[in-house]
Order: sequence, then structure tokens, then C-alpha cells
Amino acid sequence: DTAVSQTPKYLVTQMGNDKSIKCEQNLGHDTMYWYKQDSKKFLKIMFSYNNKELIINETVPNRFSPKSPDKAHLNLHINSLELGDSAVYFCASSQDPGHEQYFGPGTRLTVT
Amino acid sequence: GENVEQHPSTLSVQEGDSAVIKCTYSDSASNYFPWYKQELGKRPQLIIDIRSNVGEKKDQRIAVTLNKTAKHFSLHITETQPEDSAVYFCAASIDSSYKLIFGSGTRLLVRP
Repeated sequence: DTAVSQTPKYLVTQMGNDKSIKCEQNLGHDTMYWYKQDSKKFLKIMFSYNNKELIINETVPNRFSPKSPDKAHLNLHINSLELGDSAVYFCASSQDPGHEQYFGPGTRLTVT
Repeated sequence: GENVEQHPSTLSVQEGDSAVIKCTYSDSASNYFPWYKQELGKRPQLIIDIRSNVGEKKDQRIAVTLNKTAKHFSLHITETQPEDSAVYFCAASIDSSYKLIFGSGTRLLVRP
């Protein structure tokens, strides 16, 4: 029944490691997003995808590589993790840009 | 690019009082203005949105006003309740742009 789901919910890892976060939506939406929320609660867009195609890459380091195998999934792979990558990462989806975005529960990434 | 400023950063009100949160945006082409509520440890959820072709929208105790000339929009919560305590985010976008820019958030505390 969950509209937008993410796994894992928590991720603790060491600097230099590579990790992935998975996102799935069952709303039939065409557009998916990744956001980063830092410790001060700033919510910043990282990527936007429409029908599996990358639309927005908001000056994110190329250590971050999103992949959309189909319209319902948008995964985020992060290489060579750094301390500054520690944050909560939210996946979201919407039918179109300019309409309500439905957020996933978030993945709290801690890099030690 | 678009920039959204939000004030105040924290707001404490007595239960039953009204709360007002204000945002300004920089890009006059922006035409979609949603407000999201994020409870502690939870995902952001849309509470109300407004498009640039209307000046005000209400939904029970919540209202949003938009002044396109001044590039201001505000969230008004009347008869506040303790369960209104959360972080509230304004946002702005051009609805074809796939990029929603969030304000920095307002932490609202409703004292019983």
C-alpha cells in the first residue's frame, strides 16, 4: 500500500565506501526525484527524472549516480562516500512537474 | 535561478492562536507554490498549494495567500493545535521546470 518506498531506512558506513539507496513508487507517476536534507533541515533537489530520462542534475558531484530502470524505480548510487554526504535522502514522485510530490520515508545516511 | 527565502525560522504560539509564515521568491516566472509539513522524523507532506492565477486558497484552518507583484506568499494557520507542531516548508517552481526550490523551513511549536 505504500505509495513511495525507500530502502534502506538507515545506512551507516565508512568513508570511501560505495552504497546504494533504492526507491520505488506505485502511484503510476512519470516523474521522480532525489532530495538531500542536511542537518539544518535544508531540502535540496539533487536529480529529477521523467519517464526514466534525467531532466535535472543540480550540480551534484559525479560520485552520485542515479539510475532509473523503469518509471517506477529511481535508485541512487554513491561512490567514495565522504563525511559531508551524511544526510537524509528523500525520494519523491509526481504525475507531472508542478503537481504534488509524494515523498518516501527517507534514508538516513551516516558516514563515519 | 530561483531562490526562496522563508521567515521566521522558528515560531512559538499558544494553542488557539494563529501562525503566519512568510516566503519570498526571486524568479517572476514561478507559478506553483506548495507548502509542505514535516513532522519530526517523518517525510514532508503537502498541506496546501497555490498557483499564480489565484491570490488566496483556503482549506479548513489553513490558508495561503500570494502577492505576485511583490513575489510574496504566506501560510496562515488559525486555531492552532499541538499537532500542528512541525517544520513547515514553502517552495516555488515553474511548473514545467522539474525543479522545486524549497525555503529553509520554519519550526512551529504550538504550546498547549
